[in-house]
Amino acid sequence: AQSVAQPEDQVNVAEGNPLTVKCTYSVSGNPYLFWYVQYPNRGLQFLLKYITGDNLVKGSYGFEAEFNKSQTSFHLKKPSALVSDSALYFCAVRDPYGNNRLAFGKGNQVVVIP
Amino acid sequence: DARVTQTPRHKVTEMGQEVTMRCQPILGHNTVFWYRQTMMQGLELLAYFRNRAPLDDSGMPKDRFSAEMPDATLATLKIQPSEPRDSAVYFCASGLVAPGTGGNEQFFGPGTRLTVL
Repeated sequence: AQSVAQPEDQVNVAEGNPLTVKCTYSVSGNPYLFWYVQYPNRGLQFLLKYITGDNLVKGSYGFEAEFNKSQTSFHLKKPSALVSDSALYFCAVRDPYGNNRLAFGKGNQVVVIP
Repeated sequence: DARVTQTPRHKVTEMGQEVTMRCQPILGHNTVFWYRQTMMQGLELLAYFRNRAPLDDSGMPKDRFSAEMPDATLATLKIQPSEPRDSAVYFCASGLVAPGTGGNEQFFGPGTRLTVL
């Protein structure tokens, strides 16, 4: 079964500094990978996805993620963090050969310090 | 602006009572998912429908939980009887699956915050 791991519980970063949220995945075959963000008292919001093609994927709010097949990683990045980026971030993977359910990571709390 | 809607947004009830949560998926979407989010367990998939047919409800306690799609515009999640351990935020999400595409994202509703006393 497919799975993702988000090794850090919380990521603290100063405003204006680069932000990285780590994700590694496990799936048989080629993966479909997603990042979602959850602001307080809200539902999850889609940020970006990797299906095929360019390993660097650009998404909403200035976020991007790099697919690395050899390291089975899909880290989320933003060159310059904003205080408003403080939220819970989820990585997810879908097995393209199975059904269409998503396996979510446990989530990473990102705190951007002014 | 198409979005998934859920009602009620908040529900406080007493142990043993029946709870029904409703979800209206985005028009035209053919998949619906129910998730439960708690601090301890994170985000758990409870049930999954495709074209209104239940495909996977292995994440759902069968003795007290039930999920249905009476029509394409309504999905329901029912708990009977409710217990304090059911206290959580319940999310509904919808998506579109079409032949040749497997990478379409899910769109989440705002959630129902359930508190069982």
